[in-house]
Amino acid sequence: QKEVEQNSGPLSVPEGAIASLNCTYSDRGSQSFFWYRQYSGKSPELIMSIYSNGDKEDGRFTAQLNKASQYVSLLIRDSQPSDSATYLCAGLGGSASKIIFGSGTRLSIRP
Amino acid sequence: ETGVTQTPRHLVMGMTNKKSLKCEQHLGHNAMYWYKQSAKKPLELMFVYNFKEQTENNSVPSRFSPECPNSSHLFLHLHTLQPEDSALYLCASSQSFTAGGQETQYFGPGTRLLVL
Repeated sequence: QKEVEQNSGPLSVPEGAIASLNCTYSDRGSQSFFWYRQYSGKSPELIMSIYSNGDKEDGRFTAQLNKASQYVSLLIRDSQPSDSATYLCAGLGGSASKIIFGSGTRLSIRP
Repeated sequence: ETGVTQTPRHLVMGMTNKKSLKCEQHLGHNAMYWYKQSAKKPLELMFVYNFKEQTENNSVPSRFSPECPNSSHLFLHLHTLQPEDSALYLCASSQSFTAGGQETQYFGPGTRLLVL
């Protein structure tokens, strides 16, 4: 069973600080990774995608991929209360040949 | 706002009812997906259609029956469901579906289903 693992949280971060979300995956053949944000009662919304080792930055968000260690992370700088949501990590490719989601990490930004 | 729409947004049905969920995408994509999201569990992929052909059936019970008449529309027909089938059902689309690909999936707002 190919899996994507996330700490369920909740992860509480003060407003203005850096929130760090982590994800590990078991399928070494996975090639593409995605971070989705899901507000309570809403559908997932794509935040970042990353395909190569290293960092990818987009505004306040930075995705990091380390294929040797099989982990993906998402950093949110200058955290805002509106960032409070569940963040889903997903991996695509490899033997699973379909996207596999983690169960999500609940992030809470406290004022 | 999302280019993927779903109807109805909420549905309550009895175990003997037959109902259908509808999904429509306006993104020009060729792949469409049905997911089930239950509380505190990962998103579960149910079905994948690529260019109107079903390419994935993730061991879904036969009481769930998908239909994809064209690349823009996807249905999920429901029949004799069980209370444990109560969940949020999400539709998604992507440019196409290929193993090991990089296609980003875009989600619809979901249908929240309650089976009594």
